[in-house]
Amino acid sequence: GAGVSQTPSNKVTEKGKYVELRCDPISGHTALYWYRQSLGQGPEFLIYFQGTGAADDSGLPNDRFFAVRPEGSVSTLKIQRTERGDSAVYLCASSLMGTVNTGELFFGEGSRLTVL
Amino acid sequence: AQSVTQLDSQVPVFEEAPVELRCNYSSSVSVYLFWYVQYPNQGLQLLLKYLSGSTLVKGINGFEAEFNKSQTSFHLRKPSVHISDTAEYFCAVTLNTGGFKTIFGAGTRLFVKA
Repeated sequence: GAGVSQTPSNKVTEKGKYVELRCDPISGHTALYWYRQSLGQGPEFLIYFQGTGAADDSGLPNDRFFAVRPEGSVSTLKIQRTERGDSAVYLCASSLMGTVNTGELFFGEGSRLTVL
Repeated sequence: AQSVTQLDSQVPVFEEAPVELRCNYSSSVSVYLFWYVQYPNQGLQLLLKYLSGSTLVKGINGFEAEFNKSQTSFHLRKPSVHISDTAEYFCAVTLNTGGFKTIFGAGTRLFVKA
């Protein structure tokens, strides 16, 4: 079956521009997570959705970052007025939530964002 | 606040030698514990997990980990490593607070030498 799909795989943009990163989770997975991974670091939690709603957005660094999941499937991470410090690999993961919750995350291969 | 500490950023080891990658965590709520592996140019994948029950858990590729509640540790071990085990290993804690927020450590780079 298909895994978590992220597009684009690479995005180069200029400082101040707007960027959208898309995540298509595994079919049937109700939970969706966004992480940011900088070089030499572990994944840093940004936000997670349970269905359509953001269950925890405490990791979003500031109000330039926003994420949506309008139909409870595909999610888009939006970054306004990008800064050089936003350069990182943005990871999406999904998880099956139900009567047996194991918390295991299934990751996509990430979207590498470079802000010049 | 919850946190995950991986005590070694890099671990070089010779092929067929044993290895231990250390992980400690802190949390005020119950947790699930995981190790994920990231091979070069690939996404993260689950290596093993501890949810409950036996504190010794076995994962893929001959890895195992032991949950020690008193020491709040979840160290990863393998008795004999292969060149193909060269990768970045991440310890992760999922907080069971009604939702499932997963926090990762900074990672340990395992480098297996011939």
